[in-house]
Amino acid sequence: SQTIHQWPATLVQPVGSPLSLECTVEGTSNPNLYWYRQAAGRGLQLLFYSVGIGQISSEVPQNLSASRPQDRQFILSSKKLLLSDSGFYLCARRDRGYTGELFFGEGSRLTVL
Amino acid sequence: GQQVMQIPQYQHVQEGEDFTTYCNSSTTLSNIQWYKQRPGGHPVFLIQLVKSGEVKKQKRLTFQFGEAKKNSSLHITATQTTDVGTYFCAGPGAGGTSYGKLTFGQGTILTVHP
Repeated sequence: SQTIHQWPATLVQPVGSPLSLECTVEGTSNPNLYWYRQAAGRGLQLLFYSVGIGQISSEVPQNLSASRPQDRQFILSSKKLLLSDSGFYLCARRDRGYTGELFFGEGSRLTVL
Repeated sequence: GQQVMQIPQYQHVQEGEDFTTYCNSSTTLSNIQWYKQRPGGHPVFLIQLVKSGEVKKQKRLTFQFGEAKKNSSLHITATQTTDVGTYFCAGPGAGGTSYGKLTFGQGTILTVHP
């Protein structure tokens, strides 16, 4: 099973407020984990990826950060949200031994007002 | 950095018509993947192509990988309303495939009119 849980599914936050999006995976050990953002229902932009606990790589400079406190937990955070942070945030996993395809969670839709 | 361009951005077809989306990379790809995202949903993996000139079929869907491994296409024969969604191609990002990063095209949004 390539189960990925993301929450919350939807949230509306004011500008300047903090953010925490959580992603947990089941049925695998030591997966690669990714945070993607999709703006305006279009392309997927890779934000962060992690190959193990405590190992985070950032793809683009931004107002966000990521952490991986446990093997199957990946968290996306912000101290102060900007309007431009609005979007659809997708957590994805790539399991060891698979040929490279990504399995995505159902996403968290963030609106910053 | 690597860029993956996808055209067209939008495609409206009548049910039963064919549909094709094209993907072009600025660099040679070791492989290319295709995903489908239903409206309001998340991307779902369709297929991966690895070999130069490879052609794979899934029922009404035909996937091709170019000889130079820099372009790919997805063709749907006789579209159905269930084909509605956004189709993405994706290639390995910088840092090698060992990290599993993917660079996605902007996607083609397919609308099928019954």
